[in-house]
Amino acid sequence: GDSVTQMEGPVTLSEEAFLTINCTYTATGYPSLFWYVQYPGEGLQLLLKATKADDKGSNKGFEATYRKETTSFHLEKGSVQVSDSAVYFCALSPLITGANNLFFGTGTRLTVIP
Amino acid sequence: DGGITQSPKYLFRKEGQNVTLSCEQNLNHDAMYWYRQDPGQGLRLIYYSQIVNDFQKGDIAEGYSVSREKKESFPLTVTSAQKNPTAFYLCASSGQGYNEQFFGPGTRLTVL
Repeated sequence: GDSVTQMEGPVTLSEEAFLTINCTYTATGYPSLFWYVQYPGEGLQLLLKATKADDKGSNKGFEATYRKETTSFHLEKGSVQVSDSAVYFCALSPLITGANNLFFGTGTRLTVIP
Repeated sequence: DGGITQSPKYLFRKEGQNVTLSCEQNLNHDAMYWYRQDPGQGLRLIYYSQIVNDFQKGDIAEGYSVSREKKESFPLTVTSAQKNPTAFYLCASSGQGYNEQFFGPGTRLTVL
């Protein structure tokens, strides 16, 4: 079945460091891929998405490229800030019509220290 | 502003009681969802609804019930049959194409 495997955390970085959070997926067909971010005590916010192979999603300095050949959607940011401290979830939406279950990874907690 | 609201933000329940969590959206979305989040874990789907008066069980529906009488509203009842209800509950909705889901701020339920 469809699933997402996400790099386990927690991840602690110094401000301005480079961030990579790995995400790989298993799916039939061509799913849509998402990164969501959750700040403490809040719901999830969509950070970026990609709907087809080789698409690059980007937002707020974060990027992720939909790699079909490696079934990956790694999240990157060149220079993290303290305000980026949050939990990041990789998610997959199968390519079928109708309401879909989003398949989530277990989340990666990022802490950025000044 | 369009969005999803959940209430209350914090909810305390005694063992053996049913409680209902509210979820309202004004995004004109057809589909709505309930997820449960436990510490250090991802989200697990409880129930979802594609249209008014219709809903389907997700992965962990036991001990929960829902209704969808209006497009805007999708309340979740946590019944006394749910053995371990303490968790963070998230409601979401999605529009045409059902691809991207938008989330509410969540309700933290604690059983005393």
